Amino acid sequence: GAGVSQSPSNKVTEKGKDVELRCDPISGHTALYWYRQRLGQGLEFLIYFQGNSAPDKSGLPSDRFSAERTGESVSTLTIQRTQQEDSAVYLCASTLPQSADTQYFGPGTRLTVL
Amino acid sequence: GQSLEQPSEVTAVEGAIVQINCTYQTSGFYGLSWYQQHDGGAPTFLSYNALDGLEETGRFSSFLSRSDSYGYLLLQELQMKDSASYFCAVRGAAGNKLTFGGGTRVLVKP
Repeated sequence: GAGVSQSPSNKVTEKGKDVELRCDPISGHTALYWYRQRLGQGLEFLIYFQGNSAPDKSGLPSDRFSAERTGESVSTLTIQRTQQEDSAVYLCASTLPQSADTQYFGPGTRLTVL
Repeated sequence: GQSLEQPSEVTAVEGAIVQINCTYQTSGFYGLSWYQQHDGGAPTFLSYNALDGLEETGRFSSFLSRSDSYGYLLLQELQMKDSASYFCAVRGAAGNKLTFGGGTRVLVKP
């Protein structure tokens, strides 16, 4: 596709429910990143996938957060038993190999936990 | 760990020049990047410095001093559309991960 796409664009859920967020990277981009951005703040790294290598999960804030990616395609970020502090915009970015500094971001998913 | 500091907000008038400073602490260093984010939008890549000196891209320039762990983004001939948040990001010893600063909100007034 032309750019990174994410769905849904907005998600409102009740505390305790599970949510699944989807990211479709740019074709040919082997690396994929998930970030969390709270209102008025910077981007907080969550997880990084590079090709078929083991993902770097060092930014996941708790075991309620998990992510998967099959090959170099779509990724899903799952948040289980959502809490109000999970409310944020979740951004996905992809990059060409060896180009970690030039990241292409999707429009994000705005998650609101009531 | 890695940390970055940048001012929270800057206000300037159209046509002016704005400099956004960024100081960082990191173990290992591969490069400093700058991203722009309009309200409600996605961050977009602006500039990248791996070596000391100035990189110019149109009205925007970015500078790096590795010995001072310092960089800046220079916005020239400010336009209303430049009102946005600007983030510096560093890639350090962790390899292919970026650590972002808290962002500088630039408000351009007529």
